[in-house]
Amino acid sequence: EAGVVQSPRYKIIEKKQPVAFWCNPISGHNTLYWYRQNLGQGPELLIRYENEEAVDDSQLPKDRFSAERLKGVDSTLKIQPAELGDSAVYLCASSSDREGRNIQYFGAGTRLSVL
Amino acid sequence: AQSVTQLDSHVSVSEGTPVLLRCNYSSSYSPSLFWYVQHPNKGLQLLLKYTSAATLVKGINGFEAEFKKSETSFHLTKPSAHMSDAAEYFCVVSDLSNAGNMLTFGGGTRLMVKP
Repeated sequence: EAGVVQSPRYKIIEKKQPVAFWCNPISGHNTLYWYRQNLGQGPELLIRYENEEAVDDSQLPKDRFSAERLKGVDSTLKIQPAELGDSAVYLCASSSDREGRNIQYFGAGTRLSVL
Repeated sequence: AQSVTQLDSHVSVSEGTPVLLRCNYSSSYSPSLFWYVQHPNKGLQLLLKYTSAATLVKGINGFEAEFKKSETSFHLTKPSAHMSDAAEYFCVVSDLSNAGNMLTFGGGTRLMVKP
């Protein structure tokens, strides 16, 4: 069974540029999460989707960040414009109701460097 | 509210010696507790989980953890370290205080294994 797939693995951009990350969750997982992991810290939740609905986006900086999960499968996370402080690893995870939402499977992440 | 404190940011052991990574948690409800491992440039992998069954939990790669409610601890141990165990380890708590079973990560402990 394929795991959570994220792309790109690495992205280097200049500040004020836009950037987008893509995530394909495990097949059949209805809940999808985006986390941000700053250097030397644990991941922090940005947004959670139940199917195509964003049910928890309280930690998403909505002035520059946006996300979508059309058709309740793949998801994209966008930053526009990027700032220096956005440099981090962006992780996607998914879970199923069958196993429980606290059993989450993570992708390898996208490492973003903003110059 | 829930929180996790990993007491050591770095732990160094010699190959073949025991490993102890310490974790204390705070939770308003009966928590679920997890340990994840993150190898360089890899996604987070679930090592083991405690979900109110046996207090001594065995995970993959010879790791185990003991849930001690009186001490609010969930320390991770392994009898004999291998070079391949060198990675970042995260203690994670989840409880019913939020509908989404949100995961709260500790700050991480970097395990170094010397030959």
